[in-house]
Amino acid sequence: AQSVSQHNHHVILSEAASLELGCNYSYGGTVNLFWYVQYPGQHLQLLLKYFSGDPLVKGIKGFEAEFIKSKFSFNLRKPSVQWSDTAEYFCAVMSRGSYIPTFGRGTSLIVHP
Amino acid sequence: NAGVTQTPKFRVLKTGQSMTLLCAQDMNHEYMYWYRQDPGMGLRLIHYSVGEGTTAKGEVPDGYNVSRLKKQNFLLGLESAAPSQTSVYFCASNLGRNDYNEQFFGPGTRLTVL
Repeated sequence: AQSVSQHNHHVILSEAASLELGCNYSYGGTVNLFWYVQYPGQHLQLLLKYFSGDPLVKGIKGFEAEFIKSKFSFNLRKPSVQWSDTAEYFCAVMSRGSYIPTFGRGTSLIVHP
Repeated sequence: NAGVTQTPKFRVLKTGQSMTLLCAQDMNHEYMYWYRQDPGMGLRLIHYSVGEGTTAKGEVPDGYNVSRLKKQNFLLGLESAAPSQTSVYFCASNLGRNDYNEQFFGPGTRLTVL
């Protein structure tokens, strides 16, 4: 069975700091990759996704992620975080041909103003 | 478009009571899912449906039943609620057709079982 690891469970940053959240998955085949964000009290929404092409993908609100196939990783980055980025971030992996994603356990990000 | 909606938003049950959570989507999506979210556990798939009239078990199906009689609705039932089912429940849908489509989530239902 596929598994997704998010190594950072809780991250606390000050505004303007750089962010990198790790995501690694176990499946060896072709995958589609997603990052979702859940703002306090809200539902999950898509930040960005990768399915083919340029391994560096850009999403909303200045976020980007890089797919490194050899490392089975899809890390999320943002050069300068804002207080409004305080949220929980979930990485999800879906095998090609499957419509059932596997989610990581999430990373809680708190940004201090 | 309302997207994905869930009813109710909050509910408190006593152990042994039953209830049904309703999920509705107006995007003509083929796939629908029910997840539960618990602290430190992320999202765990309870049941899912790949189309009207079909359902399948996910990672944590015990104690839950589902039905998808209409394409736009996906119901999650708890026949005899237990405190271990205290959680936040999210419904999601996916267009299908291409496996790079993302899921769209509802606002969640916070359920407490006493």
